[in-house]
Amino acid sequence: DADVTQTPRNRITKTGKRIMLECSQTKGHDRMYWYRQDPGLGLRLIYYSFDVKDINKGEISDGYSVSRQAQAKFSLSLESAIPNQTALYFCATSDFVAGATETQYFGPGTRLLVL
Amino acid sequence: QKEVEQDPGPLSVPEGAIVSLNCTYSNSAFQYFMWYRQYSRKGPELLMYTYSSGNKEDGRFTAQVDKSSKYISLFIRDSQPSDSATYLCASPHMDSNYQLIWGAGTKLIIKP
Repeated sequence: DADVTQTPRNRITKTGKRIMLECSQTKGHDRMYWYRQDPGLGLRLIYYSFDVKDINKGEISDGYSVSRQAQAKFSLSLESAIPNQTALYFCATSDFVAGATETQYFGPGTRLLVL
Repeated sequence: QKEVEQDPGPLSVPEGAIVSLNCTYSNSAFQYFMWYRQYSRKGPELLMYTYSSGNKEDGRFTAQVDKSSKYISLFIRDSQPSDSATYLCASPHMDSNYQLIWGAGTKLIIKP
């Protein structure tokens, strides 16, 4: 079974709808991230969480919110979806240890289309 | 200007060729660098990392950093069709909770 799972894998929604993307991990990592990926722009950080009580905005948090329900679960919500939020969304976890190299482990992605 | 720049490609080469993938960075504080590989319809996965000087080799892959010119390279020897993927460079930003700063990724196509 995959260590980082995302649901749904594909989603089509309409402008103005609220949607939630979910991420679960079995790696036991404290740190979790949400990214979006757009062609030519690479990965951009939306939100990140260092533990259940620590949530931080990333580079492009406007229009998004998150919830860290447990160490293993981190959800991303689009409160009122708009077409320019059409993108590929990735959840990631990391095994950050101070002074050591961090590796991020990614889920398979959610392809979102906002009409 | 992005702190890590990468040509999105695509870069198309014949099987067996030596591939050179490159990134430039602007922040002198970056101390180590990572290369992630992303296959189509998959999430990125760490390929290798290197510190801010010299080369690191892992099988057919060599990562190189030139700190004086702020240039990062990934070389692939004896390239295979299975190497076809998008390659992303990244570096942790120590002033931002070590968040990874990503290049845009270069799409590599190895033609059989």
